[in-house]
Amino acid sequence: GNSVTQMEGPVTLSEEAFLTINCTYTATGYPSLFWYVQYPGEGLQLLLKATKADDKGSNKGFEATYRKETTSFHLEKGSVQVSDSAVYFCAPNTDKLIFGTGTRLQVFP
Amino acid sequence: EPEVTQTPSHQVTQMGQEVILRCVPISNHLYFYWYRQILGQKVEFLVSFYNNEISEKSEIFDDQFSVERPDGSNFTLKIRSTKLEDSAMYFCASSPPGLSMNTEAFFGQGTRLTVV
Repeated sequence: GNSVTQMEGPVTLSEEAFLTINCTYTATGYPSLFWYVQYPGEGLQLLLKATKADDKGSNKGFEATYRKETTSFHLEKGSVQVSDSAVYFCAPNTDKLIFGTGTRLQVFP
Repeated sequence: EPEVTQTPSHQVTQMGQEVILRCVPISNHLYFYWYRQILGQKVEFLVSFYNNEISEKSEIFDDQFSVERPDGSNFTLKIRSTKLEDSAMYFCASSPPGLSMNTEAFFGQGTRLTVV
C-alpha cells in the first residue's frame, strides 16, 4: 500500500539555520506530493505541493522538489524563523492524502 | 477566506456512548474526508465521500463509524459506541472540483475526542 516515511523529530534549530526534513514515499501510480504544516493548536494547512517529476513547490521560503527516481520530496528552508516552529507532514496523494507521523520543528532565538 | 469549520473543538464522552462530530466543508467543494490523529501518532485516513456516498474507507472505519451529509452543507462523522481507543483528534477536510489527486485538501481545526 501507499506509505510515507519522514525523519523523526523533534528537529531543533537556532534561528537563521538551514532546515532539511527528509521525506520518502511508496505509492502506486504517480502521486502528487504535498507538504502540510500544523501550527500549535491549529489544523493542517497546505505549505506547498508538486504534481509531477522535477517540479519544485515553494512557499514562505520553503522548497521541495519532486524526485521520482528516489521517491523523495525533502523539505528545505535556507533560514528558519521562530515562527516556523510547527509540525510538518509530507503527504503523497494518489486518490487521497496519506500522512506519516510528521516532524516537529523547534526553532529557538 | 473560506474555511472548513468543525464543532465541537473538544468532546468528552463516556465509553459506549454515541458521538457525532460535525463539519461544514467549503461551499463549492465536492470531496470530503475524515482523518484522525491519535496523540503522538500519524494522521490516519478514515473515509472519503463524494457524490453523496462513501468512495473509500480504511480498515479503521468499521461498522461503528458512519458518515452523512444530511443537508448539503454539513458533513458528520458518527461513532455509534465509543471505545477508549477512539480517543483522538478528528480532522475533517474537503477538496474542490478537479482531479482529486492534484488538488489540495483543506482541513478544519479538528475535534479532540476524549473517551473516558
